[in-house]
Order: sequence, then C-alpha cells, then structure tokens
Amino acid sequence: SQQGEEDPQALSIQEGENATMNCSYKTSINNLQWYRQNSGRGLVHLILIRSNEREKHSGRLRVTLDTSKKSSSLLITASRAADTASYFCATDESGGGADGLTFGKGTHLIIQP
Amino acid sequence: SAVISQKPSRDICQRGTSLTIQCQVDSQVTMMFWYRQQPGQSLTLIATANQGSEATYESGFVIDKFPISRPNLTFSTLTVSNMSPEDSSIYLCSVVQGAKYEQYFGPGTRLTVT
Repeated sequence: SQQGEEDPQALSIQEGENATMNCSYKTSINNLQWYRQNSGRGLVHLILIRSNEREKHSGRLRVTLDTSKKSSSLLITASRAADTASYFCATDESGGGADGLTFGKGTHLIIQP
Repeated sequence: SAVISQKPSRDICQRGTSLTIQCQVDSQVTMMFWYRQQPGQSLTLIATANQGSEATYESGFVIDKFPISRPNLTFSTLTVSNMSPEDSSIYLCSVVQGAKYEQYFGPGTRLTVT
C-alpha cells in the first residue's frame, strides 16, 4: 500500500506556540488516526477521526479531515517541551479495524523551551 | 485500552540466525497486526495475524521470511528468519479490540543484525 505524505517533515517551534502538521493520503478511507512516537519507542494513539467527520478535538489536539482533498491536519495548541516527538498519520482503508493501517512518513516536532 | 507487551524489548543477532518476537495482550482482541519500522522511517505493515490460521501478508513480505503464529486471542509471535543487516528495525505488534477501530501498539522490539 502507498504511504501518505506528511508535511512538514520537521518542525521546530517555541514552547507555548501552536504546531500544525498536515497529512495527505491517496485512497478512500474509513478513518484516519494520529499517533505520537517518542525517540523510536512505541506509538501512542492520539485521536481517530472517521471519514464522515470533519473536525475532532481532544484536549489540546484538534484534527480536521477533508476527504475531498484527501488530507488531514493535526493542531497542537499551547505546545510543551513534552510534545517533542514524531507524529504520524495512519489511514484505515478497509471497512474499519479489519485491516492494518497505512502510515504517513511522519513529522518530527521539536519544542524549544 | 489493552495492555500490550513484547519480548524481547531489544536484541542483537548474527546474520543468518532467526529471532522470534512475542506479543502478549492482557485481554482478548479481535485483530492483531505486525509492523516494521526501519531506522528513521515510518511503519510498514508486515501482516495480519489470524487466529488459528495462516497470517495474511502484505506485498513484499513472505511467510518463509516472517512466519507468524496466533494460537489464541491474546498472543502472537513473529519470527524473523535467516536475518541480514537489512532486517535491523523496530518490530511492533498492534491490536484492535471489539468493534472499535483504534489500533493500539506494543512497545516494540528493537532488532540489530550484525
């Protein structure tokens, strides 16, 4: 399966600023999920947005989905040093949960204290 | 969400040998998957581990190289066979519970082949 594209590949901002990461994909999807990975360790599930949803919030996270453009964005507000990590989007192209995910290339986010 | 453990957490292996990685979940799950993350790269799906039957492999991955077992609803193994340095990666299992769509990942196994 083809991986999606994420941009930027790397992002460095000051603590307290907002961080926006974008993800594009190539096929029809059932849902799109965002994950965080700290220093090559396991992935932490952040949020899932279904194909019939346009926006979703969880704490300081805001995710949007535009299926017509096959794109999604992840906004982290009021960033903290602990947000430094790699962020991946992943698409579920099946009927939901039955197949594995197709991951984007990831954005490496650095929060400067 | 389910608590997922993997063994070993890391290993250094010699070329030509095989390593079996275990994935254990603390509750029954409907789906289990195995992924590979090569150094500095994103994750790539290797296969879906099917309970009681042969795994379903993605393009580019074959059973002879990556045999997978899933004897029950809480446990799976992935073997990396006849290893070469190109197999040096992090291997992660993931699970889906019930009718939910979220996938949760284990902590990963960091494999280095020398």
